[in-house]
Amino acid sequence: DAGVIQSPRHEVTEMGQEVTLRCKPISGHDYLFWYRQTMMRGLELLIYFNNNVPIDDSGMPEDRFSAKMPNASFSTLKIQPSEPRDSAVYFCASSFGALRNTEAFFGQGTRLTVV
Amino acid sequence: AQSVTQLDSHVSVSEGTPVLLRCNYSSSYSPSLFWYVQHPNKGLQLLLKYTSAATLVKGINGFEAEFKKSETSFHLTKPSAHMSDAAEYFCVVSLISSGSARQLTFGSGTQLTVLP
Repeated sequence: DAGVIQSPRHEVTEMGQEVTLRCKPISGHDYLFWYRQTMMRGLELLIYFNNNVPIDDSGMPEDRFSAKMPNASFSTLKIQPSEPRDSAVYFCASSFGALRNTEAFFGQGTRLTVV
Repeated sequence: AQSVTQLDSHVSVSEGTPVLLRCNYSSSYSPSLFWYVQHPNKGLQLLLKYTSAATLVKGINGFEAEFKKSETSFHLTKPSAHMSDAAEYFCVVSLISSGSARQLTFGSGTQLTVLP
């Protein structure tokens, strides 16, 4: 398996524009997680899905952020409109099972810069 | 609530000397614990995990960690550092939670520098 695949790897956009980050989890994994990494706050969980259903989105910073998982092999994280403070590295991770005896596998991340 | 504390934000060692990265956790339930490594501009790679089996866990690249419940610690060690070990290391705790998936809580990270 190629692992968790995220695209794009880098994104530079202007403030106010819509940004869509994409993630393909490992085939067969039933959990998908979106994390954000910044210098100030470290790694934060934004939202996670189980069998394509959002379970906990309490980490989503505000209504400008939304995430979907239309099927088991694809998820998106959208920011609309984007702001400079959204600049961060966004990681997608997937796991098989609820992380009791299994680990999460992380993608390479998308480095987002909002100017 | 669960939390994890990495006691050192930066650790610097000489190549060939031992590495010790410290991690303490707090939880109300039996935790699963992980160490991940992040090399510059790379994703997070699992080094090792503890899931209530043997308390001494061996991972990749010669790393190991010991779960000490009495001390609520899960320190990461390696007998001899290599230049390629220079990276950021994250201690992560995952808890059993009723009805929903375990969630990962990340420590703030320890930046390991290996000097020649």
